Amino acid sequence: AQSVAQPEDQVNVAEGNPLTVKCTYSVSGNPYLFWYVQYPNRGLQFLLKYITGDNLVKGSYGFEAEFNKSQTSFHLKKPSALVSDSALYFCAVRDIRSGGYQKVTFGTGTKLQVIP
Amino acid sequence: GAGVSQSPRYKVAKRGQDVALRCDPISGHVSLFWYQQALGQGPEFLTYFQNEAQLDKSGLPSDRFFAERPEGSVSTLKIQRTQQEDSAVYLCASSTGAGVSYEQYFGPGTRLTVT
Repeated sequence: AQSVAQPEDQVNVAEGNPLTVKCTYSVSGNPYLFWYVQYPNRGLQFLLKYITGDNLVKGSYGFEAEFNKSQTSFHLKKPSALVSDSALYFCAVRDIRSGGYQKVTFGTGTKLQVIP
Repeated sequence: GAGVSQSPRYKVAKRGQDVALRCDPISGHVSLFWYQQALGQGPEFLTYFQNEAQLDKSGLPSDRFFAERPEGSVSTLKIQRTQQEDSAVYLCASSTGAGVSYEQYFGPGTRLTVT
């Protein structure tokens, strides 16, 4: 079965500092990995995805993620955090059993708090 | 342009009542997904439609849950004889195509509380 783990329930970072939100995955076959962000009372918004190619993936709002096959990790990063980045972040993996469509399994989420 | 919309945004039901949750996907989107998000958890897959065809309903937790998309656009998730464990946010998402490269666009969700 495919799964992702987000080991931190909450991450606190000072505004202007770099941030990292951790995610590790377990898949059989090639991993298709995603990051989504959820703001209060709003739906999930897509940030970025890794399908193949470069290990460093750039996404929306200045976020990027580094795919590391040997460590089975896909950590989300941003060089300089903004207060407006405070939200709930979800890592997700595509279920390989889904055939041709994008059925994904989400992690439990990490709350990011950027402190002014 | 308009995104994915869901109605109602909030629903309170007494245990045993039936509820119907509506999803209006982005116009022209082929794929439609329903997810259930319990408090403090990530979304969990319920079911998937490609146009009007329900291709995967493996995530529906019981036969009390039923989803339809009769004309390949609007979808309704129906829960019969609601139970307290059904309390959650129900998310709908749509995408232009079926493959893994297509982004899913999520609606704001319907928060269902069963009392």
